[in-house]
Amino acid sequence: EDQVTQSPEALRLQEGESSSLNCSYTVSGLRGLFWYRQDPGKGPEFLFTLYSAGEEKEKERLKATLTKKESFLHITAPKPEDSATYLCAVHGSGNTGKLIFGQGTTLQVKP
Amino acid sequence: GAVVSQHPSRVICKSGTSVKIECRSLDFQATTMFWYRQFPKQSLMLMATSNEGSKATYEQGVEKDKFLINHASLTLSTLTVTSAHPEDSSFYICSARDDGGTGELFFGEGSRLTVL
Repeated sequence: EDQVTQSPEALRLQEGESSSLNCSYTVSGLRGLFWYRQDPGKGPEFLFTLYSAGEEKEKERLKATLTKKESFLHITAPKPEDSATYLCAVHGSGNTGKLIFGQGTTLQVKP
Repeated sequence: GAVVSQHPSRVICKSGTSVKIECRSLDFQATTMFWYRQFPKQSLMLMATSNEGSKATYEQGVEKDKFLINHASLTLSTLTVTSAHPEDSSFYICSARDDGGTGELFFGEGSRLTVL
């Protein structure tokens, strides 16, 4: 059974304090690992898709990396506007495009 | 970028009534759309896969007679919560897969249902 576990559940950082969010996954035949950002009361906003171990993608202060068992979302010098819940999801080979989501990491960046 | 629109964004109804939520892909065609529900401080749980021109595929534990899904066209899927009860109160989110391009998934803004 495909599973996604994110840690920590919540993370508080000071502005400028870099850190990483973890997403551990178990899936039969990974077809893609997705990172989304979700603000309260809104739908998820797409950030990255990673397809194979060793792949990395960057967008502004965010960098996503992927291994065969986990993915990291690195946040460099975060700003208060980076505060949100970050969701990780996997698309396995055994389904038709549906994503299995982790519980999310709620990030709060204080000025 | 691609946009998925959900309507209404918020709805309050009385127990026993039915509520319809629309999910539209505004600038792309989507043969496949997905409906999720999200309880407070929890992640998204897939309810069903909506397929244009065929019956929806429901996840285990989701009552298909209660959550009616109609994928009427390549840009529209609807979710109807029939005979709603307070326990159906939740945040419902749809996503649509772009038939062209990279097949990327795009999410709607969500619809918050409150059943009194």
